[in-house]
Amino acid sequence: AQSVTQPDIHITVSEGASLELRCNYSYGATPYLFWYVQSPGQGLQLLLKYFSGDTLVQGIKGFEAEFKRSQSSFNLRKPSVHWSDAAEYFCAVGRIRDDKIIFGKGTRLHILP
Amino acid sequence: ETGVTQSPTHLIKTRGQQVTLRCSSQSGHNTVSWYQQALGQGPQFIFQYYREEENGRGNFPPRFSGLQFPNYSSELNVNALELDDSALYLCASSLDGTYESTDTQYFGPGTRLTVL
Repeated sequence: AQSVTQPDIHITVSEGASLELRCNYSYGATPYLFWYVQSPGQGLQLLLKYFSGDTLVQGIKGFEAEFKRSQSSFNLRKPSVHWSDAAEYFCAVGRIRDDKIIFGKGTRLHILP
Repeated sequence: ETGVTQSPTHLIKTRGQQVTLRCSSQSGHNTVSWYQQALGQGPQFIFQYYREEENGRGNFPPRFSGLQFPNYSSELNVNALELDDSALYLCASSLDGTYESTDTQYFGPGTRLTVL
């Protein structure tokens, strides 16, 4: 069955510290992978996506993610978080024409001053 | 700002009623997708419309239906509302219905539906 697992429901980091949010997926074919961010009262904003090619993907707001096929993972990283990064982050997998997009349950990021 | 708007922002209905949620896509975007996001969960794909035709559907019953219009607006209709339909409903528009291109889905802010 196709699924996305975000093992951490909540993560708290200090402002300026590095960040890694974990995402593992189960998908029958080569997946398309996404990370979205959702701030309170806002819709989802795409941070980055992986289709093929270089497994290290750069996104907006200083985020990057690395696709590791052997580990079925697509972890999101940022070297130094800002207070404005506090939000909910969703990992997603799939492709629209062939299948629905499957989202993980999200990781809530809290930033300490 | 994604250029995608949704109305209303909030809505309260009672069980058994019908509801229509509206979405206005970015101009030129031929594809609209609808998602249901229950509290504490990730969005779940309801269906997608491409050039006014349904182009894919998730695991939702037929009482969830949709329409897409030539003016880049769309509707999500839910009949016979149930308590579990309480959720944030998101629409997302994209230029084309495929991720093989560099298309990006642009999400609206959502409509919060409460069923009592």
